[in-house]
Amino acid sequence: EAQVTQNPRYLITVTGKKLTVTCSQNMNHEYMSWYRQDPGLGLRQIYYSMNVEVTDKGDVPEGYKVSRKEKRNFPLILESPSPNQTSLYFCASSTGGGVTDTQYFGPGTRLTVL
Amino acid sequence: KQEVTQIPAALSVPEGENLVLNCSFTDSAIYNLQWFRQDPGKGLTSLLLIQSSQREQTSGRLNASLDKSSGRSTLYIAASQPGDSATYLCAVRQTDSWGKLQFGAGTQVVVTP
Repeated sequence: EAQVTQNPRYLITVTGKKLTVTCSQNMNHEYMSWYRQDPGLGLRQIYYSMNVEVTDKGDVPEGYKVSRKEKRNFPLILESPSPNQTSLYFCASSTGGGVTDTQYFGPGTRLTVL
Repeated sequence: KQEVTQIPAALSVPEGENLVLNCSFTDSAIYNLQWFRQDPGKGLTSLLLIQSSQREQTSGRLNASLDKSSGRSTLYIAASQPGDSATYLCAVRQTDSWGKLQFGAGTQVVVTP
């Protein structure tokens, strides 16, 4: 089954404790992206990757890191989480272009930073 | 900078009525526009994708139109059903910064039996 998986689905942590949210897709997609969703603000893009070893900032990259060492994986790293990073996070992937640019989203990771 | 707006933020209609959802964007230099559905606590599901060269796309009861010159897209859902209750979001991909995807805040729809 074609899917995007994220882990963990729920996470409660404390300020300053490094964490990683994993994202994996099994569709051989070149394009992957991370978003955060906050009430009233919609989805805002954090980082995206056009292919392996190619990443770029979205609209809200501060406080986040990403890496794309393999095509299927695109982890989101919070080196020193703060309470304002409490949010619902989504990973997405697509083939990257043309009529097949349909975005496939993961189920989301709800992060709480105390 | 591209701004994507969806008005209204919430909408309630009786079952059977046609739904009309609006999405407006400020920069017409878009590569494509997508409509998504989000159920509570779930991820987003793509409904329709319209290329910048297209005027509309259809899938079953759903029809999406695109007017680039006026910066607008409309999603029509015919003969609404309670199962159509969800939040609907639109997103645009820019021509000049292809990797970025800009979302509207969404319209929350409730279809009452």
